[in-house]
Amino acid sequence: SQQGEEDPQALSIQEGENATMNCSYKTSINNLQWYRQNSGRGLVHLILIRSNEREKHSGRLRVTLDTSKKSSSLLITASRAADTASYFCATDYSTLTFGKGTMLLVSP
Amino acid sequence: KAGVTQTPRYLIKTRGQQVTLSCSPISGHRSVSWYQQTPGQGLQFLFEYFSETQRNKGNFPGRFSGRQFSNSRSEMNVSTLELGDSALYLCASSLFGPQETQYFGPGTRLLVL
Repeated sequence: SQQGEEDPQALSIQEGENATMNCSYKTSINNLQWYRQNSGRGLVHLILIRSNEREKHSGRLRVTLDTSKKSSSLLITASRAADTASYFCATDYSTLTFGKGTMLLVSP
Repeated sequence: KAGVTQTPRYLIKTRGQQVTLSCSPISGHRSVSWYQQTPGQGLQFLFEYFSETQRNKGNFPGRFSGRQFSNSRSEMNVSTLELGDSALYLCASSLFGPQETQYFGPGTRLLVL
């Protein structure tokens, strides 16, 4: 069963806009990770945030974690067409468990 | 360092057959995990191996099995294939396990006819 659930399921924006994706989970975690997948290929790791961290940045990515609400958000600033992909959150309760992902479409 | 490699990349089988998929992790990585990805169920955890031992297993029937060799390479086997086994099978490696960054291979796309 899915531990994490992303919201929205799909997001369509224009280049230059910001994209925000949310993830909710059910149990305690050690870390929460975000991954990107381009069109049926392997997943690429974006960022890992530990349960005692509240915010983390990596380039144009900003991740927040609220363990009291069991939720996380991924913000991509100044989106580019190359950001078009599916984005997954993953929690590591005992194994790494993925949500169903958010499909992001960035139009030129 | 070379990335995670998976072979074969594409596979077509018929119902009732069996299939073996292979995964070579990044050099030095001892943890290998396998996932099944389908449009309906998303990414589902199959199993994780660490130093040749299965540490965790997902909720899949016994037709799905795996193993890890002393060089950390891993194989998974699906016997008596069913149409519903059609999926992208992904493996991921890391130094120690799921609490750290996972490095994914490109996947093996299996089609069962």
